[in-house]
Amino acid sequence: QVQLQESGPGLVKPSDTLSLACTVSGGSMSGYYWVWIRQPPREGLEWIANVHYSGDTDYNPSLKSRLSVSVDTSKNQFFLNLSSVTAADTAVYYCARGFFDSTGFHNAFEIWGHGTMVIASS
Amino acid sequence: DIVMTQSPDSLAVSLGERATITCRSSQSLLYNSNTKNYLAWYQQKPRQPPKLLFYWASTRESGVPDRFTGSGSETDFTLTISNLQAEDVAMYYCQQYSKIPYTFGQGTKLEIK
Repeated sequence: QVQLQESGPGLVKPSDTLSLACTVSGGSMSGYYWVWIRQPPREGLEWIANVHYSGDTDYNPSLKSRLSVSVDTSKNQFFLNLSSVTAADTAVYYCARGFFDSTGFHNAFEIWGHGTMVIASS
Repeated sequence: DIVMTQSPDSLAVSLGERATITCRSSQSLLYNSNTKNYLAWYQQKPRQPPKLLFYWASTRESGVPDRFTGSGSETDFTLTISNLQAEDVAMYYCQQYSKIPYTFGQGTKLEIK
């Protein structure tokens, strides 16, 4: 079955760039959209961005000025870069797969990675 | 942004009883073109990622027990868990995927009384 695995450094210095990768195994990236979500310690979930298998992106406006996401379908990976991090960016970062409904609209996040904790601290 | 508000923030229910969680959105999540509500429910157990329970407000994801029911339309939605089991202890989140930015409710913590 399809599995997602986040990877990247667990510690990032303030003002540096947080870079994460999500590797998709057990299936193709085509026909789905791919998602980044984060969860600060003891808090709720925040949607960060979508990236389509085509490369099209949707960003959370609250993060857009610092955010870049991309996809490499040849490697079955997609990526997150968040610049100028602060302590407020400390969170568990999840990648997920979203599916399309029959009319081509986005549907929910059906498969999630286990998440990776990123701490922004000097 | 569409604001999602869940209630209650936490609840304790006896084993075998019913738990009800509500979710209200600040805008309608109903698409008239396909009469679908773009609302999902997730379950998150400690130290685990969220798990999709329902999409389109009431379509149960494969493998989700039929003790779980999603209902509602437009701005008011409900997640009902009947015959509560110990393994249902978790945080529950609603999420709208109608408009960017997608947004989640603040979560409801379900415990056993």
